[in-house]
Amino acid sequence: GAVVSQHPSWVICKSGTSVKIECRSLDFQATTMFWYRQFPKQSLMLMATSNEGSKATYEQGVEKDKFLINHASLTLSTLTVTSAHPEDSSFYICSARDDRLGDQPQHFGDGTRLSIL
Amino acid sequence: TQLLEQSPQFLSIQEGENLTVYCNSSSVFSSLQWYRQEPGEGPVLLVTVVTGGEVKKLKRLTFQFGDARKDSSLHITAAQPGDTGLYLCAGAQTGTASKLTFGTGTRLQVML
Repeated sequence: GAVVSQHPSWVICKSGTSVKIECRSLDFQATTMFWYRQFPKQSLMLMATSNEGSKATYEQGVEKDKFLINHASLTLSTLTVTSAHPEDSSFYICSARDDRLGDQPQHFGDGTRLSIL
Repeated sequence: TQLLEQSPQFLSIQEGENLTVYCNSSSVFSSLQWYRQEPGEGPVLLVTVVTGGEVKKLKRLTFQFGDARKDSSLHITAAQPGDTGLYLCAGAQTGTASKLTFGTGTRLQVML
């Protein structure tokens, strides 16, 4: 149980394009979803926390107008990288959790590799 | 600012050797988790420790949470090639909506 699916797993696009990444909880409801960014050979850095039905909370230094997060249902959150540039190329990972069940671990997706040419 | 420093950053060993990875912080954490991540995949949870001084074993892996809940260690006995991967510690602090702060990571390579 507790499967989180990300789509697409890999995307290559031209500079200036906007890219949407989906994060779905397949067999549970996710009241909270987290979006992370990971550069090559580095650790995960939290970008934002999203709660179903409310605005996302962004970490310091993360541009909310650049990285649009929507969490409109208990099973889906999306991250849109607007007007992507080469420096946005990275591995983006989401995680999900149902906070109604008490102290639960985050369940991670398999990530999306974004390459901007 | 990284709150969790892992050492070593990179470790290359022969099959059968033992190793220890350290995760240190100046901050107190309510719980600490260890993950393993393979290239192109998300991290997979190995263990969660919540009590100072707690020791947990998972087959050949032994995890310890420091008495003051500021540090942790992961010891692998008789490493195997299948243990190869990026090991990440991650801490949660009370009052921060259970966000995780990930450590700097330790990349382990176990060779035949």
